Amino acid sequence: NAGVTQTPKFQVLKTGQSMTLQCAQDMNHNSMYWYRQDPGMGLRLIYYSASEGTTDKGEVPNGYNVSRLNKREFSLRLESAAPSQTSVYFCASRGQGEYNQPQHFGDGTRLSIL
Amino acid sequence: AQKITQTQPGMFVQEKEAVTLDCTYDTSDQSYGLFWYKQPSSGEMIFLIYQGSYDEQNATEGRYSLNFQKARKSANLVISASQLGDSAMYFCAMREVSGSARQLTFGSGTQLTVLP
Repeated sequence: NAGVTQTPKFQVLKTGQSMTLQCAQDMNHNSMYWYRQDPGMGLRLIYYSASEGTTDKGEVPNGYNVSRLNKREFSLRLESAAPSQTSVYFCASRGQGEYNQPQHFGDGTRLSIL
Repeated sequence: AQKITQTQPGMFVQEKEAVTLDCTYDTSDQSYGLFWYKQPSSGEMIFLIYQGSYDEQNATEGRYSLNFQKARKSANLVISASQLGDSAMYFCAMREVSGSARQLTFGSGTQLTVLP
C-alpha cells in the first residue's frame, strides 16, 4: 500500500551543493508532478511529466531539473542549491482516464539550504 | 490574477459544529474540476472531495460537502459535525482542461482549528 514514496524525508544542504530528490509510485500512473510548498503560498508546480519520456516546466522551474527515469520514477535535481530553495517538496502522481481522478501525494521532503 | 483564492488564513470552530471554508476561483475554461485537500500537522496531503464544473449536484463525501456556485465561481467546503481530528490546513485546488497534464493550481490554504 505504498502509493507515492519520496526519499529522503529530511535533508540539510549547504549553499552550492547539489542533490537529487527521488520519487517513485506503484500505481501505474502516467502523470507525475513536483511541487514546492512555502509558508502562506500553498503548493506551486515546479515540473511535471505527462507520460514516460516527457517533462515540462511548471510555475517555478528555475534552479531545478527533472528526469522521468521510467514510468514509476520521477526525480528532481538541484544543481547548485540556494537558500531560496528551502522548502517542503512534494511529488504527486495521477492516472489517466476519469477526469475526477485526484493527484496522489507523497509525504514530502523537508529541505533546508544553509 | 490569482486563480484560486482562499480568503480565510485561519478559522476556529467548536467541536460538533459545522464550518464552511471559502474558495473562489478564476478560469475561462468551461470544463474544469475543483478539489479539496487536507494537510494535517504531520504534513501529508489527503484528498477529500471533487466537484466537476458540469456536475449538476453538489459533491458529498461523508461529513464533507461542496457548496458549488458556478455563476459566482465559488466552491466552498462544508465540514459537518467537526471533530478534533479535523484540525488541519485545507487547500482548494483547480484543474483546468487547458493544462496538458491536468496539473493542479492551489490556493494558499485555510488553517482550521477545532476547539473542544
